[in-house]
Amino acid sequence: DIQMTQSPSTLSASVGDRVTITCRASQSISSWLAWYQQKPGKGPKLLIYKASGLESGVPSRFSGSGSGTEFTLTISSLQPDDFATYHCQQYKSYSRTFGQGTKLEIK
Amino acid sequence: EVQLVESGGGLVQPGGSLRLSCAASGFTFRSYWMTWVRQAPGKGLEWVANINQDGSEKYYEDSVKGRFTISRDNAKNSLYLQLNSLRAEDTAVYSCARDGYYCSDTSCYFDYWGQGTLVTVSS
Repeated sequence: DIQMTQSPSTLSASVGDRVTITCRASQSISSWLAWYQQKPGKGPKLLIYKASGLESGVPSRFSGSGSGTEFTLTISSLQPDDFATYHCQQYKSYSRTFGQGTKLEIK
Repeated sequence: EVQLVESGGGLVQPGGSLRLSCAASGFTFRSYWMTWVRQAPGKGLEWVANINQDGSEKYYEDSVKGRFTISRDNAKNSLYLQLNSLRAEDTAVYSCARDGYYCSDTSCYFDYWGQGTLVTVSS
């Protein structure tokens, strides 16, 4: 299986900050990577597909980049609604795998 | 509006069985691959199984092969997961999800998810 490693596990930031979350794959996955936002008690919400494609309806402050084995999710200016847990997921192999999640907390 | 609503979770003893359901609405269910994903307490998300549009192709994560069965009823817009021979390590929130559009040749991301249903395996 392709292993996905996210960093950091927890991130403390303030409203207005620019934050970056990293996801590394154990082997090349080309651009087959998605990012999700999850809030307590809710299912994940798709933010980014194919590494940098912004899902319809997602604010433009969210952006994704990378290819091969290293990827980033950037939030350009944190808003109160953005404090949540973020997950990356590879879909290069049929056994799609996720990172362990990054919890974004209010500083 | 796309909606996915899971049901059927609960407390079950080790070795027991449960059948989970996912009711879909707001889209043409029979046109999409569908997937079950789980999240154990304090752990990350884990793909469990997926099924193609007419139910003729099914894929399973290794630890559930032979114990779990995914199925669908397109006439009822419903997805199912039969869980047999349950183990403590199967304790998790189980969610159904719809496959997205810009997929790779072998796999896909998920563009809609349900909230999930909790399965607890304990004596």
